Amino acid sequence: DAKTTQPTSMDCAEGRAANLPCNHSTISGNEYVYWYRQIHSQGPQYIIHGLKNNETNEMASLIITEDRKSSTLILPHATLRDTAVYYCIVRVADTGNQFYFGTGTSLTVIP
Amino acid sequence: DVKVTQSSRYLVKRTGEKVFLECVQDMDHENMFWYRQDPGLGLRLIYFSYDVKMKEKGDIPEGYSVSREKKERFSLILESASTNQTSMYLCASSIPGREQFFGPGTRLTVL
Repeated sequence: DAKTTQPTSMDCAEGRAANLPCNHSTISGNEYVYWYRQIHSQGPQYIIHGLKNNETNEMASLIITEDRKSSTLILPHATLRDTAVYYCIVRVADTGNQFYFGTGTSLTVIP
Repeated sequence: DVKVTQSSRYLVKRTGEKVFLECVQDMDHENMFWYRQDPGLGLRLIYFSYDVKMKEKGDIPEGYSVSREKKERFSLILESASTNQTSMYLCASSIPGREQFFGPGTRLTVL
């Protein structure tokens, strides 16, 4: 699985959009980009994933650059409950085993 | 919604005790996983199972065993608990190749 690079920490004002970047310059053609988050002392929560096209669900939007070497997770209106560690993971979709979680980005939403 | 439950949120055991951590999922997922999470080390896969009575070692299986007698239940067993097994233990389940859904975690302390 390709390696990802994320900023260690970010702040965002409550109500504003939170844009979390992820670099994955060695991504292969069959690797998907997944995003999870982990609120303190809880299990990781799946947010969204995509291959090439931008994706949106009720939680977030995922923007993947045309060359697929980077992506951005967007939380459109951050709330205090979005304070968490966000993990960007690149993985071949049809593998049966684990996700490799790195150190992620610690997002703090400020009132 | 997928629900993955773990038997305890917090557990305190003594060195040498046999410890059982139980995980149940309600979405008929074939795959189930046990991870441990430690500060600075991220999530590390202990064991996973892709079918009833089937198991595969992950990255750190030493000191652990697992049991999957029913599709919905995956147990992690510490045969003789040691202090270096103090950790957060996370269970997950998935359809093969798809996103994993995590339980709330069990924080185990071995004294």
